[in-house]
Amino acid sequence: DVKVTQSSRYLVKRTGEKVFLECVQDMDHENMFWYRQDPGLGLRLIYFSYDVKMKEKGDIPEGYSVSREKKERFSLILESASTNQTSMYLCASSLLGTGWTEAFFGQGTRLTVV
Amino acid sequence: QKEVEQNSGPLSVPEGAIASLNCTYSDRVSQSFFWYRQYSGKSPELIMSIYSNGDKEDGRFTAQLNKASQYVSLLIRDSQPSDSATYLCAVSDNNAGNMLTFGGGTRLMVKP
Repeated sequence: DVKVTQSSRYLVKRTGEKVFLECVQDMDHENMFWYRQDPGLGLRLIYFSYDVKMKEKGDIPEGYSVSREKKERFSLILESASTNQTSMYLCASSLLGTGWTEAFFGQGTRLTVV
Repeated sequence: QKEVEQNSGPLSVPEGAIASLNCTYSDRVSQSFFWYRQYSGKSPELIMSIYSNGDKEDGRFTAQLNKASQYVSLLIRDSQPSDSATYLCAVSDNNAGNMLTFGGGTRLMVKP
């Protein structure tokens, strides 16, 4: 079974802190994604990566950066956390192909910025 | 910007009835369409995918796609209380990265 693991289930951080959210997948997937999910807004793509050291902005990249130094690991960085970044963060991975392939999600990290 | 629209609900149906969930999308180049189920506090899980016009059936689930109308739906037959969840519609244009764009989700409540 594909496993996508996020480092924390719950996090509480202070405004202005630098926050790292880690995601690891064990199925050798090329694609990795970071979404945030907010009530009424659904899942919104922050960043995605289709190869090591490659990154593409999604719909809402402001205030975030990412790092992909190894194929299995994709990190989301909040450079200076703000209260409006309080949200559920979901990491996902999928194979890169000519057609679509299923995206598998991690368990989510609920981040609260106080 | 691509948009995927769903009625947020809640959609309430009695146990044993057919639940019908609808989704419209704005980008005509969208090629792949998906339904994810998300239980409260859990991450989304894929339940159906559809790529060509028409119906696709899998057990109690049927996905319907009409590309001309930019419309995709999910029917759940013989609805069970365990089907109560939020259903997310997602579309992809199959470009590099296979990026998925999600709708806001429809909350389904199946009452015993």
